[in-house]
Amino acid sequence: DGGITQSPKYLFRKEGQNVTLSCEQNLNHDAMYWYRQDPGQGLRLIYYSQIVNDFQKGDIAEGYSVSREKKESFPLTVTSAQKNPTAFYLCASSADTYHSGNTIYFGEGSWLTVV
Amino acid sequence: AQKITQTQPGMFVQEKEAVTLDCTYDTSDQSYGLFWYKQPSSGEMIFLIYQGSYDEQNATEGRYSLNFQKARKSANLVISASQLGDSAMYFCAMREGYNAGNNRKLIWGLGTSLAVNP
Repeated sequence: DGGITQSPKYLFRKEGQNVTLSCEQNLNHDAMYWYRQDPGQGLRLIYYSQIVNDFQKGDIAEGYSVSREKKESFPLTVTSAQKNPTAFYLCASSADTYHSGNTIYFGEGSWLTVV
Repeated sequence: AQKITQTQPGMFVQEKEAVTLDCTYDTSDQSYGLFWYKQPSSGEMIFLIYQGSYDEQNATEGRYSLNFQKARKSANLVISASQLGDSAMYFCAMREGYNAGNNRKLIWGLGTSLAVNP
C-alpha cells in the first residue's frame, strides 16, 4: 500500500539526548515536511524539502535538523538544543510545492516525551 | 493576523444529523487552495476534501461537502448523516498561490473538536 510511515510511534528522551524520528514514503512525492503539534496550537512547520539534497527551515526550526539523502526518506533529529521537545510530530509529503492544489498527506505521527 | 479562523472550538451533533464546521480565511492572492483534514484520537491527520479558488462548484467527497463562499472568504465543511466515527478534531488549512518568497506551505486553523452523540 502507498503511504507514509513514521517510526517510532512513541519515543522517550532523556534531557540532553538527541533523538531521530524516521519518515519514509512510497508515494513518489518530491516534497516532504515535518510538523509539530502542541495542544491548542494547531500545526507548526519545522522543516520542509522540495527535492533531494535540499531543505528549508519552517517556522520553528531551532533545535531540529533534517536530511534528505533519498527521495523516500526525510528523518528529523530533535537535538538537545530544543528546549521543549515534548510534542506530537507529523511527517507529510506532497507531489510538489508549486501548485496550490497539491494535497499534503500525513503519516500517523510520533509522540515524543522528554523524561 | 490569523489567516485561517475556526471559530468553533467544540461542536456536538446527533448521530445521523448533518453538521457544519466553520472556516474563514484571509488572503490577497487570487489563486489558493483550501483543505479540510480530520484528526481522530489516534493522531493521524486524514485528508478529507479540497477546494480550489477557481473552482466554480463546491467540492464534494462522499458525505463531505465544502460550502465555498468566495466573497465571504469562507470554506465551511458540511458532514451529512453523521456517524460515531466522525468524532474527531477537524482542521481547515489554506495554501496560497505563488509569490516571491512564499514557499506555499499550508496555513492551519486551530481546529474544531466534533463529538457525535448516539
